[in-house]
Amino acid sequence: AQSVAQPEDQVNVAEGNPLTVKCTYSVSGNPYLFWYVQYPNRGLQFLLKYITGDNLVKGSYGFEAEFNKSQTSFHLKKPSALVSDSALYFCAVSRPDTGRRALTFGSGTRLQVQP
Amino acid sequence: NAGVTQTPKFQVLKTGQSMTLQCAQDMNHEYMSWYRQDPGMGLRLIHYSVGAGITDQGEVPNGYNVSRSTTEDFPLRLLSAAPSQTSVYFCASRADRTAGNTIYFGEGSWLTVV
Repeated sequence: AQSVAQPEDQVNVAEGNPLTVKCTYSVSGNPYLFWYVQYPNRGLQFLLKYITGDNLVKGSYGFEAEFNKSQTSFHLKKPSALVSDSALYFCAVSRPDTGRRALTFGSGTRLQVQP
Repeated sequence: NAGVTQTPKFQVLKTGQSMTLQCAQDMNHEYMSWYRQDPGMGLRLIHYSVGAGITDQGEVPNGYNVSRSTTEDFPLRLLSAAPSQTSVYFCASRADRTAGNTIYFGEGSWLTVV
């Protein structure tokens, strides 16, 4: 099984509407979870992370994510989408079974926000 | 605010040629790594280093060599390029081995092997 899965290749949402980009994980132990965003021809930019503590994590650019242990999910959300949010979003996990030596990434979800 | 700097940004190689992708960071980070990004596969770890003089293999190390002679630099070498190595390569760094620390990425190097 994949360590982290992003079930949607693309998400389309109208500007001003709430958006959700889904991520589920499958690791033993306590996962460290991350969200990154990639704009065209650019590197990955850090959005937010969950390590421990409050299940609701707030990050950059108005994004937030909720860690749900029972559902093994870490969905990315934003209350009101902007056209400038259109980009490729990656969920990633730092796996305890590999000594947390690196991030294991999902396949990415392309977010398209229509004006 | 340079952060993680990669060169070159674009490169075309012929099969069998060798080349080095350069990576430098100015944040005094201990941990550095190389990933490759392929369509529909996210990023996969090639090699990583937890400090000067220490390197180790990631998920997809074959065909690549690395060295870490200084804290700042972590070059990735392709000894004999193959079309399967056509990809986008990202260098990344993290302050130390603490897994919860944020990993910072360079802007990427687009490599095409023909």
